[in-house]
Amino acid sequence: AQSVTQLGSHVSVSEGALVLLRCNYSSSVPPYLFWYVQYPNQGLQLLLKYTSAATLVKGINGFEAEFKKSETSFHLTKPSAHMSDAAEYFCAVSVRWSGGGADGLTFGKGTHLIIQP
Amino acid sequence: DAGVIQSPRHEVTEMGQEVTLRCKPISGHNSLFWYRQTMMRGLELLIYFNNNVPIDDSGMPEDRFSAKMPNASFSTLKIQPSEPRDSAVYFCASSSPTGATEAFFGQGTRLTVV
Repeated sequence: AQSVTQLGSHVSVSEGALVLLRCNYSSSVPPYLFWYVQYPNQGLQLLLKYTSAATLVKGINGFEAEFKKSETSFHLTKPSAHMSDAAEYFCAVSVRWSGGGADGLTFGKGTHLIIQP
Repeated sequence: DAGVIQSPRHEVTEMGQEVTLRCKPISGHNSLFWYRQTMMRGLELLIYFNNNVPIDDSGMPEDRFSAKMPNASFSTLKIQPSEPRDSAVYFCASSSPTGATEAFFGQGTRLTVV
């Protein structure tokens, strides 16, 4: 079974500062890893995904994440925060079966990102 | 593509009533997931289907919950009878049979049981 731990239920940064949201995973097989963002009263939108092609993954809105197998981590970063980045961020893990099916995504508890002017 | 479509967007019902939530996945996707989101428990996977077949329903909280997928383009999640503690946002998501396993989410159904 897979699991995800997001450190910090709330993270507050100043506009223009570095954003760092932490995610650690557990998986018995090579995983797929994802970051999703959720704005108020909206569904979840995919920010980026790790599929083993490259350890540094770039996503939408200037976000990127680095897969570190030795640390079982997939932290999300953005060099300069913008007010519009304020939202809930979820890290998720999944595995694909050899037959082509896939497990459902297992999500972390989420991190609420607050941007201070 | 219109994305994953859920209906209704909001549902208010009285305790004891039957509630049916509906989902139309993205065309060509063969996996469909039902999630529930609450402040206390976060995002929970209730059940998922591959090729219209239920694979894992271990997340369904009680026998009051049931889900069906009669064809590749439609799924329902039913709660009978509903209880106030079922109040939550219910999301449907679908994913493609190829590539990474990212799920595409609908806008959700906000259920309030009074």
